[in-house]
Amino acid sequence: DIQMTQSPSTLSASVGDRVTITCRASQSISSWLAWYQQKPGKAPNLLIYKASSLESGVPSRFSGSGFGTEFTLTISSLQPDDFATYYCQHYNSFPWTFGQGTKVEIK
Amino acid sequence: EVQLVESGGGLVQPGGSLRLSCAASGFTFSSYDMHWVRQGTQKGLEWVSAIGTGGDTYYPGSVKGRFTISRENVKNSLYLQMNSLTAGDTAVYYCARVTPWIGSGFDIWGQGTMVTVSS
Repeated sequence: DIQMTQSPSTLSASVGDRVTITCRASQSISSWLAWYQQKPGKAPNLLIYKASSLESGVPSRFSGSGFGTEFTLTISSLQPDDFATYYCQHYNSFPWTFGQGTKVEIK
Repeated sequence: EVQLVESGGGLVQPGGSLRLSCAASGFTFSSYDMHWVRQGTQKGLEWVSAIGTGGDTYYPGSVKGRFTISRENVKNSLYLQMNSLTAGDTAVYYCARVTPWIGSGFDIWGQGTMVTVSS
């Protein structure tokens, strides 16, 4: 199985900060990577697919990059609505797996 | 409105069975791959099963042989039959859609249904 490792596990930041979350795959997954945002008690919400494609309706301050085994999610200017937990997920081959999550907290 | 609504969760004893349902609306259900994803309390996300438009199915090792995913396109419905349940299966179960022709990841999620395995 392909393992997905996110860093950091927790991130403290202020409104307006540029935030970067990293996701590493244990083997190459090409561009088959998605990023999700999840708020407490809610289902995850797709932000980015195919490593860098922005899902319709998602603000342009979110961006994704990477290929192969290393990927990043960047929030260019953190907004109050962005404090949440973020997950990466590969869909290169079954079984699909998620990273352990990165909680973005208010500094 | 594109929507997925899960039902069928509840309390079940270890070793018991439960069948989850997911009702789809607002899109052509038969054209999309469908999945189940679960999340234990205060835990991360775990992919549980998938079914393609042609009925092909996939499972991770943790549930293979115990869980069965199925779909009924005429009813716009997805199902998950769960047998031999253990405490480790306690979680919120989400159904989720994948748009295969753009390689979307899970682009639509239901609200989730809680499954608790306990005596």
